[in-house]
Amino acid sequence: GESVGLHLPTLSVQEGDNSIINCAYSNSASDYFIWYKQESGKGPQFIIDIRSNMDKRQGQRVTVLLNKTVKHLSLQIAATQPGDSAVYFCAENRISGTYKYIFGTGTRLKVLA
Amino acid sequence: DGGITQSPKYLFRKEGQNVTLSCEQNLNHDAMYWYRQDPGQGLRLIYYSQIVNDFQKGDIAEGYSVSREKKESFPLTVTSAQKNPTAFYLCASPGPGNTIYFGEGSWLTVV
Repeated sequence: GESVGLHLPTLSVQEGDNSIINCAYSNSASDYFIWYKQESGKGPQFIIDIRSNMDKRQGQRVTVLLNKTVKHLSLQIAATQPGDSAVYFCAENRISGTYKYIFGTGTRLKVLA
Repeated sequence: DGGITQSPKYLFRKEGQNVTLSCEQNLNHDAMYWYRQDPGQGLRLIYYSQIVNDFQKGDIAEGYSVSREKKESFPLTVTSAQKNPTAFYLCASPGPGNTIYFGEGSWLTVV
């Protein structure tokens, strides 16, 4: 059932190294951003979110950076582990809420042992 | 365990056949959405429902239908009018703070 994730850009990192996954968002009015992890054949899992009044937010082993000037979002994963191998994608919306979530196409992260 | 449950995980459709994908949530959320996921593309919105007994077409509603008779349930029917139904289908629901949560997905294949 693995067809989702084909033809995506791939980032290969050595186990233990840090990973940086990037996302360019499209709507200047978006003020709420989410990163998801999607493993093969599964639904997306929430990783971390950030609002536009912040430029950095940290979680457990993950950090999200937001650059509103260039409409760019990044996800940093520290000490990447084999279990981090998945497709990662970003989503944008508004804090006030709208039905319209915009999703990135995703990046496949491969962790090399 | 609170969450969004989709079934079946795998479904095969014959030409000319309608099939229904189930989505149930016990999160007490008002809104529920259906997305389609194809290789190399972002999620595309099929239908959404902001509240029980109401639903709206998304960006790619043609060939699909939904109902929202209960708050917990938002089934998606893929009709024979959908000419390219093979895809991974995701049911989702936004919660407090506007974070959107997803089910585990259903694979639909035309045979």
